[in-house]
Amino acid sequence: QVQLQQSGLVLVNPAQTLSLTCDIFGDSVASNGATWNWIRQSPSRGLEWLGRTYYRSQWFDDYAVSVKGRITINPDTSKNQFSLQLNSLTPQDTAMYYCGRSPIGGSHQVDYWGPGTLVTVSS
Amino acid sequence: DIQMTQSPSSLSASVGDRFIITCRASQSIITYLNWYQQRPGKAPKLLIYAASSLQSGVPPRFSGSGSGTDFTLTISSLQPEDFAIYYCQQTYSIPFTFGPGTKVDI
Repeated sequence: QVQLQQSGLVLVNPAQTLSLTCDIFGDSVASNGATWNWIRQSPSRGLEWLGRTYYRSQWFDDYAVSVKGRITINPDTSKNQFSLQLNSLTPQDTAMYYCGRSPIGGSHQVDYWGPGTLVTVSS
Repeated sequence: DIQMTQSPSSLSASVGDRFIITCRASQSIITYLNWYQQRPGKAPKLLIYAASSLQSGVPPRFSGSGSGTDFTLTISSLQPEDFAIYYCQQTYSIPFTFGPGTKVDI
């Protein structure tokens, strides 16, 4: 059984950088059989896929154009986790941020989700 | 980006009702279509992937169909725990985009 763990609440000032981590239990961030995703949800933007990282003999990542240039998703094999960094924050980045796993062989569906981290961007 | 629309945006139903939610993509996504259920205060839960494959552990009253641009999620007999918001998601091309959701309440 895969479990993903995230921290609870984050308050960040505008223009600063958001850093979130997702701890993985029951699978490996370096697995060739999965991709590791960040997704956020807000009342104004709905559910928004932000990006992913995955290992296929080397590390790859993909990002949504809406946040490209501001986002970095990194794996940490020593801690079996992956992280999200989002810089130049504005109040429009206020949202619930979820991490999720997509198994290989399907349709990139997210079958396991973290509980979410509520991020508020405000001074 | 591929745009996803859903209809209806909300509906009222009763326990035992059969209901269908429609999802439409702005271009063909073959069968790269997933359905999720979200209850208040919880993360989304995967119901259907690849348009019609039932996720392990999901009751068989849930079913999905469609290909190309038009897809449906059907619940054959609504149960009290099914009152929630349902989202479709295309995973044919990046960025993977979600529909706006369909809220099902009593």
